[in-house]
Amino acid sequence: DGGITQSPKYLFRKEGQNVTLSCEQNLNHDAMYWYRQDPGQGLRLIYYSQIVNDFQKGDIAEGYSVSREKKESFPLTVTSAQKNPTAFYLCASRTRRGREKLFFGSGTQLSVL
Amino acid sequence: GQSLEQPSEVTAVEGAIVQINCTYQTSGFYGLSWYQQHDGGAPTFLSYNGLDGLEETGRFSSFLSRSDSYGYLLLQELQMKDSASYFCAPLSFQKLVFGTGTRLLVSP
Repeated sequence: DGGITQSPKYLFRKEGQNVTLSCEQNLNHDAMYWYRQDPGQGLRLIYYSQIVNDFQKGDIAEGYSVSREKKESFPLTVTSAQKNPTAFYLCASRTRRGREKLFFGSGTQLSVL
Repeated sequence: GQSLEQPSEVTAVEGAIVQINCTYQTSGFYGLSWYQQHDGGAPTFLSYNGLDGLEETGRFSSFLSRSDSYGYLLLQELQMKDSASYFCAPLSFQKLVFGTGTRLLVSP
C-alpha cells in the first residue's frame, strides 16, 4: 500500500543532542513538508521541499535542518539549538497534479529527557 | 504576507448543523482545503474548493468566496465522532500553511 511512513513514533532527546526524524513516502510525490504541532495548537510549517535537492524554510525553521537527497525521503533533524523541541511532528506530501490534497504520516512525538 | 483566522472552538449537539469559518490572506492563492484531526492522530483531508461556491461531500460541505477571501466548512447531522479539530489550509504553489484550527465538541 502506498503511503507516508514516519519513524520512530516516540523519540526522546537529551540536552545538547541532535535527533533525526525519518519520513519516507512511496507515493511518488514531488513535494514534502514538515510541521510541528504543540498541544491544542495548529500546525506550523518548519521546512518544505518541492523537488529533490531543494528545500525552503517555513515559518519556524530555526533549530531544525532537513535534506532531500531522494524523492522518497525527507528527514528532519532537530538540533541542540532548538531549545523547546517537545512537540508532535508531522510529515506530509503532495503531488503537483493533485496539489489540493496533502497526505500525512502518523507523526512522531518528541520529548526532552 | 499571509494571515489566517478560524474560531478556536465550536460546540453543538448531535444531529445539529455547524459552520466553521475561515478568513485568509495568502499570496499566490489558488484554492482552500479543509482537514480533520482527531486527538493524537494525523490530519485527514476533507474537502477542497478551487472555485467559488459550494462543494458537497456527504454530510460535509465547503464554501469559498475568493472576492471575500473567505470560506467555511459546514457539517450536517452531527455525530459524536465528529468531535475533532478542523483546519483550513489556503493553497499556494509553494508554502502550505494551516490555520490554528477549530475544536468542535459534539455533545449528546
